[in-house]
Amino acid sequence: QSVLTQPPSASGTPGQRVTISCSGSNSSIGTNTFDWYQQLPGKAPKLLIYANDQRPSGVPDRFSGSKSGTSASLAISGLHSEDEADYHCASWDDSLNGSPWVFGGGTKLTVL
Amino acid sequence: QVHLQESGPGLVKPSETLSLICTVSGDSMTFYYWAWIRQPAGKGLEWIGRIYGSGSTNYSPSLKRRVTMSVDTSKKQFSLKLTSVTAADTAFYYCARESYDSSGYYHDYWGQGTLVTVSS
Repeated sequence: QSVLTQPPSASGTPGQRVTISCSGSNSSIGTNTFDWYQQLPGKAPKLLIYANDQRPSGVPDRFSGSKSGTSASLAISGLHSEDEADYHCASWDDSLNGSPWVFGGGTKLTVL
Repeated sequence: QVHLQESGPGLVKPSETLSLICTVSGDSMTFYYWAWIRQPAGKGLEWIGRIYGSGSTNYSPSLKRRVTMSVDTSKKQFSLKLTSVTAADTAFYYCARESYDSSGYYHDYWGQGTLVTVSS
């Protein structure tokens, strides 16, 4: 079964740049695009980055995504206190029937 | 603006069936996938499955024996049934729209989520 691995936690101070990684366990998931979701405390996830590096309308350009091989990264520059949230990566495994989606375990970002 | 809203019992007894409905407003259901995703408290997201506006379904391999999804486009609703629940099924349940464009696939609209607790 495919897995996406994220660090459980990350931290930074206001104004800093932080990155969060998402590593795919095999090539069947790494060949597809990655999405990132921001989940503020007590709220539903919100689409932050899609197709590796695309920002939906309204998402500040402080947020950026990239992909290399079977892994992806989310970068947040100029960290704000309101960026404190859980961040989830997602992709799908098209080696399995129905191409099920897979989510990473989530990374809790703390703004110190 | 697309809006999704989950509804259903917040408490289900062990071995019984969890049933939830997601009501969609603001757009047609026809040309999208509609997904159920859950999250145990303090843990990561888990994809349960999805249903297309035409009714075709895909389920998580780990849950497919217990999951059934259906859609009623005239009511702008889709539903989730999960049978034989245990405490491990206690979670926040989210419905979401899966969209796609030339760049890829993504879940662009989510409901606020509903907590379902499995307990006697």
